[in-house]
Amino acid sequence: AQSVTQLDSHVSVSEGTPVLLRCNYSSSYSPSLFWYVQHPNKGLQLLLKYTSAATLVKGINGFEAEFKKSETSFHLTKPSAHMSDAAEYFCVVTSFSGGYNKLIFGAGTRLAVHP
Amino acid sequence: DARVTQTPRHKVTEMGQEVTMRCQPILGHNTVFWYRQTMMQGLELLAYFRNRAPLDDSGMPKDRFSAEMPDATLATLKIQPSEPRDSAVYFCASGLEGTGGTGNTIYFGEGSWLTVV
Repeated sequence: AQSVTQLDSHVSVSEGTPVLLRCNYSSSYSPSLFWYVQHPNKGLQLLLKYTSAATLVKGINGFEAEFKKSETSFHLTKPSAHMSDAAEYFCVVTSFSGGYNKLIFGAGTRLAVHP
Repeated sequence: DARVTQTPRHKVTEMGQEVTMRCQPILGHNTVFWYRQTMMQGLELLAYFRNRAPLDDSGMPKDRFSAEMPDATLATLKIQPSEPRDSAVYFCASGLEGTGGTGNTIYFGEGSWLTVV
């Protein structure tokens, strides 16, 4: 069965420093992987997705993620954090079950950005 | 800019009352999902529709919850009677899924924030 583990429930960085949000997945086949962001009191917005094309995926707002099959990882990075990046981030893997693609969400990582 | 539209955005109701949440999926999308988000449980899938047919509602409490798609532009989630433990954010999401089950993207609405007192 497919699953996803976000290794940190909270990450705190200073503005202008790099961001690393870690995600490991488990999948019995080549998965599709996503990162979604949720700002306070808002819905979930797609940051980026991997669907077996290039292993380095670029998303919106300067975020990118690298699919590493050997490490079963899909970590999210950004070179320089901005105050507006403070939000909750969800790593998601698809699971084809019951005839459709079900999204399996990680527990989320709350990113705090300090001045 | 195409988006999933949910109404109401906020709802406070008394225990025992009926609550109906509505969702307009992105035009042309053929899948609709209902999720519930709480602090304790995170995001839970309640129901999934493809081409307006309910294919999975295993995550939904059947005694009080019901989900329907009267037409391709409207999905509804109803709670009757509502209870305080139903207080949560309810998200609708839509996507376009072809045959073969590829990993297509789904897009979320802004959510309906429900408080049952």
